[in-house]
Amino acid sequence: QVQLQESGPGLLNHSQTLTLTCDVSGGSINSASFYWSWIRQSPGKGLEWIGRIHVTGSTAYNPSLRSRVSLTMDTSKNQFSLRLTSVTAADTAVYYCGRGPTGYYDTRGDHHYSGVDAWGPGTSVIVS
Amino acid sequence: QSVLTQPPSVSGAPGQRVTISCSGSTGNIGTNTVHWYQQVPGAAPKLLTSSSHLRPSGVPDRISASKSGMSASLAIGGLQSDDEGDYFCAAWDDSLIAYVFGSGTKITVL
Repeated sequence: QVQLQESGPGLLNHSQTLTLTCDVSGGSINSASFYWSWIRQSPGKGLEWIGRIHVTGSTAYNPSLRSRVSLTMDTSKNQFSLRLTSVTAADTAVYYCGRGPTGYYDTRGDHHYSGVDAWGPGTSVIVS
Repeated sequence: QSVLTQPPSVSGAPGQRVTISCSGSTGNIGTNTVHWYQQVPGAAPKLLTSSSHLRPSGVPDRISASKSGMSASLAIGGLQSDDEGDYFCAAWDDSLIAYVFGSGTKITVL
């Protein structure tokens, strides 16, 4: 059973760069079968998808964050990372890493997306 | 402002059936699988089910999802106190090239 664990600084100052890492165990991020995502939740608010990355290097980002965010993978460490530049108080949130969403074809040739089927416990980030 | 629209709250008595709606557009719900997540206070969200009817192991069959056009629904039958929490719909959006979430619905068991 795959498990994910986020790590990073809990507190940053305005305009600094946030870097978070997600350690994956019980499964390989080297698998072509999955994308890996970052998702955040501001205090008392809903969920916001930040972006996803695949072992091929393919990435996709939330249009509202695209100019400040980048995702990378380190397959030797079985981890992937988030880098968010020029943070403000609006970036204060709990940050989650997860597996998915990933597109696939079923036996009839119909295309579907799997959801984010595994999540880390989340790590709180406060920007002062 | 969320791309997918959900009611802020729904409630029901134990044993009742409740449904949560999720409204989107052609580029997301109209085209792609809709996923539903449950989040209880202090915990990470958990994938419940999807409109393709795939349900992770451990999720009871009294929880089901459906989709029609640009709207989706989550139904929970035999409501239990453990069902209290926040529920989010989500789908890939082909126009935004992004995964979008609903605004969330809080379920209260009376």
